[in-house]
Amino acid sequence: NAGVMQNPRHLVRRRGQEARLRCSPMKGHSHVYWYRQLPEEGLKFMVYLQKENIIDESGMPKERFSAEFPKEGPSILRIQQVVRGDSAAYFCASSPADQGYGYTFGSGTRLTVV
Amino acid sequence: AQRVTQPEKLLSVFKGAPVELKCNYSYSGSPELFWYVQYSRQRLQLLLRHISRESIKGFTADLNKGETSFHLKKPFAQEEDSAMYYCALITDKLIFGTGTRLQVFP
Repeated sequence: NAGVMQNPRHLVRRRGQEARLRCSPMKGHSHVYWYRQLPEEGLKFMVYLQKENIIDESGMPKERFSAEFPKEGPSILRIQQVVRGDSAAYFCASSPADQGYGYTFGSGTRLTVV
Repeated sequence: AQRVTQPEKLLSVFKGAPVELKCNYSYSGSPELFWYVQYSRQRLQLLLRHISRESIKGFTADLNKGETSFHLKKPFAQEEDSAMYYCALITDKLIFGTGTRLQVFP
């Protein structure tokens, strides 16, 4: 079991470009979560998805950010027209239906906007 | 409101000293709490969860509902314990505190 796989590990984008971050959950996990980690701010929840459904996007910025978890393939976090303030580490986590076991996290994608 | 508070950003101790990383929560239901650890630039790893009442790497944490706390303790810190520690509460999603960086000096 390869665990939660995120790619790329590092992503550099110029201001105004689009960033696509991918996350493949652990085998057997049907719930995916995205978190953003900023220096001095810890981990902030962004969005919670199940296959083909967004369950909770209360932590997503209203503009430029979107997420999906299609029936086939990885979950995608998409940031359009990136700005310097989007530079952060983005972590994906997955869990089985019973969340009492906690989440398994990926290694993260470090986005740098230049 | 559902909230996790870790009041200390940084905790520095010498090797062999006792460690306590503080965590307080606010939740109206029956809480399920976790501690996660993140070593330098690595992924977050589950350290322990209150429901299992286990001890991992010498760390323990006891849920105190009266004080709404879930402090992480270790009697004798080791240099390899240096990392970021996050306390988390599960509702319909995991809510994290802001984290405490533990530095253990030789």
